[in-house]
Amino acid sequence: EVQLVQSGAEVKKPGESLKITCKGSGYSFTSYWIAWVRQMPGKGLEWMGIIYPGDSDTRDSPSFQGQVTISADKSISTAYLQWSSLKASDTAMYYCARIWVPAAMTFAFDIWGQGTMVTVSS
Amino acid sequence: SSELTQDPAVSVALGQTVRITCQGDSLRSYYASWYQQKPGQAPVLVIYGNNNRPSGIPDRFSGSTSGNTASLSITGAQAEDEADYYCNSRDSGGHHYVFGTGTKVTVL
Repeated sequence: EVQLVQSGAEVKKPGESLKITCKGSGYSFTSYWIAWVRQMPGKGLEWMGIIYPGDSDTRDSPSFQGQVTISADKSISTAYLQWSSLKASDTAMYYCARIWVPAAMTFAFDIWGQGTMVTVSS
Repeated sequence: SSELTQDPAVSVALGQTVRITCQGDSLRSYYASWYQQKPGQAPVLVIYGNNNRPSGIPDRFSGSTSGNTASLSITGAQAEDEADYYCNSRDSGGHHYVFGTGTKVTVL
């Protein structure tokens, strides 16, 4: 079964660091881009950035550039989303998703992780 | 700011047809994909490319594109179709991705 499994919920204080994980299985992890998506409470989906685990090439959304770090370890089929200093406004659900490109001009975020809820509160 | 615009909410009577639209300049170059999200759940892909449905998605879901507007239609809406729906595409420059603002579908 193709799946992405994310790490569990986190409760942190402002200023703390955090790294959450997204582990792929059932497919060639190095052959597909992985996206990170934020959903703040009661709000819509926001694309944060992507990484190609095969060579760790990354593309960041201008809205999130410098705020988070996206990385991957292909040896253990895991992608990461990392903060060096959390803020209360980082409180959100974070999803990883696989990007599938079946044809020209066509793509889909076809497999999603279950989400990781990050709560930042003093 | 999001470059894909959706109506915030629509309602549909049980068994009737509803169409959700997504507008953005990048849709002239890239197909949209569509996602259904129910409360407390991760999004699920329902339509991608030129009206393609993943395995397991009912055929009452269909997609189309005209100019800068992509549409998702639900023909014969069911109670379980009540959810938030998001479109997704590349941005105008083609280097990044963007989600639409989301549409809440209520089945009456």
